Amino acid sequence: DTAVSQTPKYLVTQMGNDKSIKCEQNLGHDTMYWYKQDSKKFLKIMFSYNNKELIINETVPNRFSPKSPDKAHLNLHINSLELGDSAVYFCASSQGETPLHFGNGTRLTVT
Amino acid sequence: DAKTTQPPSMDCAEGRAANLPCNHSTISGNEYVYWYRQIHSQGPQYIIHGLKNNETNEMASLIITEDRKSSTLILPHATLRDTAVYYCIVRVNTGTASKLTFGTGTRLQVTL
Repeated sequence: DTAVSQTPKYLVTQMGNDKSIKCEQNLGHDTMYWYKQDSKKFLKIMFSYNNKELIINETVPNRFSPKSPDKAHLNLHINSLELGDSAVYFCASSQGETPLHFGNGTRLTVT
Repeated sequence: DAKTTQPPSMDCAEGRAANLPCNHSTISGNEYVYWYRQIHSQGPQYIIHGLKNNETNEMASLIITEDRKSSTLILPHATLRDTAVYYCIVRVNTGTASKLTFGTGTRLQVTL
């Protein structure tokens, strides 16, 4: 059983489009995260939600809007996609002080 | 910004122990040392963590110096499948806001 699952695995789209990435965790965790890994392989946190409430927002452009309909889901919507948004996006979850569990990523390519 | 420094790359022969060092000289008293690894382009995988005592689990051992300014991750019998980028991270375990800040990691290459 996949603990943290992301869809889609690959996403190719053109500049200016709007797209969403979905994340679901079945671990019963109360905190979920989005990380971005760019072409230089640097992993950087974008957002964190706890019980559907935004608790971390790391100066991400307003074009990125996370949405958490419930504790088990954290989706990422991106408006007006730019070339620089091309990256691998990882979702993760944790409960209190437990280690973060990561999904296997969504590779976004903007052309 | 990451609060740890690691060598960019290391090699290890299969079957030998891989010892990956990490410096975290500015670590605070309430910060834990975490180790993750990323195999190819998969999601980061948790390995082990500790506060001040040495820790061991089925994957690895973590040795933390007495002053807590550095640590070493030990993979006792490295295999080809251990080839990955290994990240050493310090993290405050404050519950809801305890994010992980990744550095550049060490690329471990296990060879025959």
